[in-house]
Amino acid sequence: QQQVKQSPQSLIVQKGGISIINCAYENTAFDYFPWYQQFPGKGPALLIAIRPDVSEKKEGRFTISFNKSAKQFSLHIMDSQPGDSATYFCAASNPDSNYQLIWGAGTKLIIKP
Amino acid sequence: DVKVTQSSRYLVKRTGEKVFLECVQDMDHENMFWYRQDPGLGLRLIYFSYDVKMKEKGDIPEGYSVSREKKERFSLILESASTNQTSMYLCASSLGTDQPQHFGDGTRLSIL
Repeated sequence: QQQVKQSPQSLIVQKGGISIINCAYENTAFDYFPWYQQFPGKGPALLIAIRPDVSEKKEGRFTISFNKSAKQFSLHIMDSQPGDSATYFCAASNPDSNYQLIWGAGTKLIIKP
Repeated sequence: DVKVTQSSRYLVKRTGEKVFLECVQDMDHENMFWYRQDPGLGLRLIYFSYDVKMKEKGDIPEGYSVSREKKERFSLILESASTNQTSMYLCASSLGTDQPQHFGDGTRLSIL
C-alpha cells in the first residue's frame, strides 16, 4: 500500500522524441504527486507536480498525466533533448503519514543526439 | 534560491566508527530530512524533523540517529558504522508539510 512502482528502470530516446515514464500506486490517500530530476553529482530537484483533482499538468516540454481511477501517473517529455538526460523519480505524498514522500525507484533517461 | 549544504561530498570511514554527517539550510525552513539513495531502491527516508529538537523516524532508522539543535542544521549520526551503510546520503529541507523538498548534493559515504 505504501509503494510507488516506477517503470522503466532505464530508457533511451532519440533527440526530438517523446520520453514517457510511468508510476503506479495503491494508497488512495496519496494526494500530491511530484516528479524530481537528478543530474549526476547533484541532489534531486523538483521538476513538476500534480494533485489528483486534475488529469493533466503541463510546464513547457514536461507534462504529467494523471489517471485517478487507475492509480497511475506518468511524465511525458516532448521534443527530448540531450540536456534532459538524467535520473527521474516519481513520488507520492501521504497525508496520513505527516505528508512523507514515498519515492519510486527512479528511471535513468538517456537522450541520444 | 534555497541552498542546502552538506558538509562533505565524499567520506571514507572504518567499521565501528561514529560518523557525523552535517546539513545546513539557509531558508529558515521548518522541515528537514535525511535520505539514503541506493541504485534501484530510490530514496529511503531515514529520519525527519519538523521543528528544532524534534525528530521522527522514517522507514529505515536502524543504526542511525539525528540531532537538530538549531533550525538551520540537521545532523545524521551513524552510531557504529557498518559496511551496509555505504551509500549516498541526501539531506533535504522544505518550508512546510506538503511543500517541495530542496536537496543538497549528497555525501557519498564509504565504510571500509
